[in-house]
Amino acid sequence: GQQLNQSPQSMFIQEGEDVSMNCTSSSIFNTWLWYKQDPGEGPVLLIALYKAGELTSNGRLTAQFGITRKDSFLNISASIPSDVGIYFCAGLAGNQFYFGTGTSLTVIP
Amino acid sequence: DTAVSQTPKYLVTQMGNDKSIKCEQNLGHDTMYWYKQDSKKFLKIMFSYNNKELIINETVPNRFSPKSPDKAHLNLHINSLELGDSAVYFCASSQRSSGSFTGELFFGEGSRLTVL
Repeated sequence: GQQLNQSPQSMFIQEGEDVSMNCTSSSIFNTWLWYKQDPGEGPVLLIALYKAGELTSNGRLTAQFGITRKDSFLNISASIPSDVGIYFCAGLAGNQFYFGTGTSLTVIP
Repeated sequence: DTAVSQTPKYLVTQMGNDKSIKCEQNLGHDTMYWYKQDSKKFLKIMFSYNNKELIINETVPNRFSPKSPDKAHLNLHINSLELGDSAVYFCASSQRSSGSFTGELFFGEGSRLTVL
């Protein structure tokens, strides 16, 4: 299957700091998605991007669909303790969603 | 009401046993999936059904057999369980619109399978 590489793999930050993570692929996707997984739960959609170059915000979250359609970025501003979790990017190609390797975020109060 | 619900949430069983996990969605979606999440948190697609028809069948041992009695249900049966089957199994659903996906997956809470 297609491989989506996410970085960084993990982050430890102080509350109030901004966070940036990205996802790259060797293949083109028509849709990029960002999900968050809390412990013991299933992933929940944060932001969906449907067009190359698109920049979309959801509260303190901002994500961008890369121009090449092979990458995407997620930024979280002014992090708070409840931002803790694993963040996954996903690319949609045809019928299939391909997930990134995940970024584990720890926010230190 | 839970949108995508799967049961059981936890399952502990012995090697060699057969077990099933059930999934139901009340979102009216036409496509359902099974994903496996291993200890490193990688999410890997196993199967996908669209309107009860199998559309994705990744390289999964044939001990795993999905069954979709209707488009709101997708069950997963696993025969002769092995230690390596221990993982969290997620059911998900999505909706196609005019032949293409809207691009959003809704996940269940996961079923943690432990094989001893």
